[in-house]
Amino acid sequence: EAGVAQSPRYKIIEKRQSVAFWCNPISGHATLYWYQQILGQGPKLLIQFQNNGVVDDSQLPKDRFSAERLKGVDSTLKIQPAKLEDSAVYLCASSLVLQGAWNTEAFFGQGTRLTVV
Amino acid sequence: SQQGEEDPQALSIQEGENATMNCSYKTSINNLQWYRQNSGRGLVHLILIRSNEREKHSGRLRVTLDTSKKSSSLLITASRAADTASYFCATASLRTSGSRLTFGEGTQLTVNP
Repeated sequence: EAGVAQSPRYKIIEKRQSVAFWCNPISGHATLYWYQQILGQGPKLLIQFQNNGVVDDSQLPKDRFSAERLKGVDSTLKIQPAKLEDSAVYLCASSLVLQGAWNTEAFFGQGTRLTVV
Repeated sequence: SQQGEEDPQALSIQEGENATMNCSYKTSINNLQWYRQNSGRGLVHLILIRSNEREKHSGRLRVTLDTSKKSSSLLITASRAADTASYFCATASLRTSGSRLTFGEGTQLTVNP
């Protein structure tokens, strides 16, 4: 079974530029998460999709971050314009979750390491 | 905001020793999960314990959950150098449209050969 695919693996941009990350979750996984992980910290949830609908974007800086999941499969996360403090690893994860189900194991991609200079 | 807090932040032990990491959380949960992250890699799920369970085993891993104290512990027995990684607890709170996974700050485990 193929895992969660993310690209690119690394990206270096200047502040005020824009950048986009792509994620292809495991086939059949309805839930897709984007996390931001700053060096030395735990992952922080940015946005969660259930199929192609947003169920939680309370921690997404909406003035500069946007995400979409067209057709309920792969997803893109965009930052425009980037700030120095956006330097982090952006992790995508997916899970097979049904309403009322207990098993909510998430499968993570390798992440995209973003450096803003 | 982060839900879980791991303790200790860093742990260094010798190969063969046991490693214990603790996690405390604030709100009610559906289940609690432990993940491992090797440097520069994504997170890997280790074990899940439901809110109505008190203890769970998987190989060299033992997880306990005390919902009255809102705390969990992860025990790795007979540690190996390959166990060196960061370990995170994540709490899952079930909502009508799926489960939200909230991670703690992690424990950095170093196992010296």
